[in-house]
Amino acid sequence: EAGVTQSPTHLIKTRGQQATLRCSPISGHTSVYWYQQALGLGLQFLLWYDEGEERNRGNFPPRFSGRQFPNYSSELNVNALELEDSALYLCASSLGGGGTTQYFGPGTRLLVL
Amino acid sequence: QKEVEQNSGPLSVPEGAIASLNCTYSDRGSQSFFWYRQYSGKSPELIMFIYSNGDKEDGRFTAQLNKASQYVSLLIRDSQPSDSATYLCAVNARGAGANSKLTFGKGITLSVRP
Repeated sequence: EAGVTQSPTHLIKTRGQQATLRCSPISGHTSVYWYQQALGLGLQFLLWYDEGEERNRGNFPPRFSGRQFPNYSSELNVNALELEDSALYLCASSLGGGGTTQYFGPGTRLLVL
Repeated sequence: QKEVEQNSGPLSVPEGAIASLNCTYSDRGSQSFFWYRQYSGKSPELIMFIYSNGDKEDGRFTAQLNKASQYVSLLIRDSQPSDSATYLCAVNARGAGANSKLTFGKGITLSVRP
């Protein structure tokens, strides 16, 4: 069974540009979560999607947004990129929502120059 | 007060020893508790989850939960150099209605000396 997949693996952008990150959950999982992990910091919760709806949002500005498609895949968009957005962005999926077990993808490493 | 707190470490143990990793949480209503392992440059992988008070064993790993004292711990027996990684504690912290989320601690780095 395939795990969570993310693309691209690496992304280099300049300040002010937009970045789009993609995630495909484990087959059968309906919930997708996005996290940011900056160097030396812990996992910061960004967004949670379930059944196509945004269920919860972390303490991030509105330029971080996303959506979930009918096939449960998801994309994260970051507008007006800032240098401090450079981080590893992790996607996780779970069978249900909330506190159920989350399985992580390999991540997308975003570098903003 | 931080929602999920782990001693930042690092923790260093000799090969074959028991490594004890601790985590405390603030939301008394938390119901699900998880331990993830993250190797440098990689994504977190699930080691164990525990829902009930007491111990849960899986191979060399034992998770311990004490809801009254609001702590969860992970014991690694017969530690191996391959166990060297950052260990993340995650807790189901209740939010509004059914929108509970998983909250992670900052992790503790374990180094197992050969």
